[in-house]
Amino acid sequence: GAVVSQHPSRVICKSGTSVKIECRSLDFQATTMFWYRQFPKQSLMLMATSNEGSKATYEQGVEKDKFLINHASLTLSTLTVTSAHPEDSSFYICSARSRGTSEPYEQYFGPGTRLTVT
Amino acid sequence: AQSVTQLGSHVSVSEGALVLLRCNYSSSVPPYLFWYVQYPNQGLQLLLKYTSAATLVKGINGFEAEFKKSETSFHLTKPSAHMSDAAEYFCAVSDRGGTSYGKLTFGQGTILTVHP
Repeated sequence: GAVVSQHPSRVICKSGTSVKIECRSLDFQATTMFWYRQFPKQSLMLMATSNEGSKATYEQGVEKDKFLINHASLTLSTLTVTSAHPEDSSFYICSARSRGTSEPYEQYFGPGTRLTVT
Repeated sequence: AQSVTQLGSHVSVSEGALVLLRCNYSSSVPPYLFWYVQYPNQGLQLLLKYTSAATLVKGINGFEAEFKKSETSFHLTKPSAHMSDAAEYFCAVSDRGGTSYGKLTFGQGTILTVHP
């Protein structure tokens, strides 16, 4: 149980285009999903927290107009990187918190999406 | 704000040897503590967590960690390394309350290499 998927696993796009990454909780309902980015050989940095049906909360320094997050259902959150540039190339990982959990720190991680902007 | 430091970005051990990965946190109030493992191009898998009570926590794959409040540490150990343990390991913390409640803050990661 508690499986989180991401699609696509890898994506290459041209500079200036937009790309959407999906994060799905397959066997549970997720009231909260988190988006992280991980640069090569670095740690995960939390970008934003999204709650189903409400606006995402972005961490300091993260451009909300560039990284659009939508959490329209209890099983799906999307991250859209708008007008992507090479410096946006990174590994993007989502995680999800189950609706039924009593432990707010409990998160299940997706396998990640490798974005390369050329 | 919480922070966590992992000493040593790379650790190399021989198969069968003891694995010790170090993690220290900075907080006046002991947070929740976690160890995650990440294999190449994959997401994170929870190895173990410390939330309260027992200070020695046992996790999956034979790993365990001990919470030491006096040392603000949560080091990860495994008595005998296996080749399949080669991966990157992340220590993480989460506040027990406040505005960051439920958010995870990760350390820099330690790459474990296991030699035959």
